Amino acid sequence: GENVEQHPSTLSVQEGDSAVIKCTYSDSASNYFPWYKQELGKRPQLIIDIRSNVGEKKDQRIAVTLNKTAKHFSLHITETQPEDSAVYFCAAIPVGYGNKLVFGAGTILRVKS
Amino acid sequence: DAEITQSPRHKITETGRQVTLACHQTWNHNNMFWYRQDLGHGLRLIHYSYGVQDTNKGEVSDGYSVSRSNTEDLPLTLESAASSQTSVYFCANPLAGPSPTDTQYFGPGTRLTVL
Repeated sequence: GENVEQHPSTLSVQEGDSAVIKCTYSDSASNYFPWYKQELGKRPQLIIDIRSNVGEKKDQRIAVTLNKTAKHFSLHITETQPEDSAVYFCAAIPVGYGNKLVFGAGTILRVKS
Repeated sequence: DAEITQSPRHKITETGRQVTLACHQTWNHNNMFWYRQDLGHGLRLIHYSYGVQDTNKGEVSDGYSVSRSNTEDLPLTLESAASSQTSVYFCANPLAGPSPTDTQYFGPGTRLTVL
């Protein structure tokens, strides 16, 4: 089955700097990769996603890149702000998994002002 | 607006008791999922359903069961609660409609403590 590894487990950056979180997956048939942000005590919320036929997707200060050959995808946050502090989860859906998401273990992002 | 709700939001129970967590969605989507969230483990799939009368085990299904008698509800039952089941439980499902998506949307969660 699919396995998703996420690094780093914690990340501290200075306000205004960029943050990068990387995930690797094992099943080459995976075709959908969402990223979720979870603030303390709240539910995970989708912030961006990418499909396997796309190499990069941007939405304002966040972007996701996908390297199918290497089987990894990354979340990029530019010009970080204190409100970006949260736990970020990557996930993958393999083909034939019927919406089932396989999650990475999460990254705690702290933005220091 | 269509939404996904969970109840109760907080629950404290004792070891050995049966506990049922409710999940209700108004998106009318066939697919529904239960996850548990523990520090260091992220979100792990407990059970899921692709429609009425359909239920399937996820990676951490031992000690849990679900039933699906209608489209809107997927209750999660802990048959005999154990301290290892202290966790935050999230129900999730994709949006239904003319533009279906793989994305799952999460309910607000239930924090369960087993003493």
